[in-house]
Amino acid sequence: DIQMTQSPSSLSASVGDRVTITCRASQSISIYLNWYQQKPGKAPKLLIYAASTLESGVPSRFSGSGSGTDFTLTISSLQPEDFASYYCQQTYRTPLTFGGGTKVEIK
Amino acid sequence: EVHLVESGGGLVQPGGSLRLSCAASGFTFSNYWMHWVRQAPGKGLVWVSRIDSDGSSTSYADSVKGRFLISRDNAKNTLYVLMNSLRDEDTAVYYCARGGYHGQGDHWGQGTLVTVSS
Repeated sequence: DIQMTQSPSSLSASVGDRVTITCRASQSISIYLNWYQQKPGKAPKLLIYAASTLESGVPSRFSGSGSGTDFTLTISSLQPEDFASYYCQQTYRTPLTFGGGTKVEIK
Repeated sequence: EVHLVESGGGLVQPGGSLRLSCAASGFTFSNYWMHWVRQAPGKGLVWVSRIDSDGSSTSYADSVKGRFLISRDNAKNTLYVLMNSLRDEDTAVYYCARGGYHGQGDHWGQGTLVTVSS
């Protein structure tokens, strides 16, 4: 199975900060990497697919990059509504696997 | 507007069975692969299973293989998962998700809670 390692597991940041979350795959997954945002008690929401393609309706402050084994989600200027948990997911091969998640908290 | 609504969750004893449903609307259901993903209380997301658009191909996480059966009825626009031999560790919110071209879950239901406990 392909293991997805996300870091950090949590971070504290202020409104306006630039935030970067990384995800590493245990083997090459090309660009089959997605990013989701989840708020407490809610379903996940797709932010980025195919490593860098912004899902329709998602603000442009979110961006994704990477290919192969190393990927990054960047929030260019953190907004109050961005405090949430974020997950990466590989869809290169079944079983599909998620990273452990990153909780973004208010500093 | 795409809409996915899960149902069928509840309390079940260890060793028991439960069938979850996911009613889809707002898109041509028969054109899309579908997924089940679960989340144990306070934990992260775990992919459970997926089925292709006509139901001819399925795949499962190792943790549920041989116990869970995913299926779909394209005439009823409904996705199912039959869960047998349930264990305490199957306790979770179960989400259905529509699969995009790159396998991404581009739309999700609100989830249904399954609690396995005696």
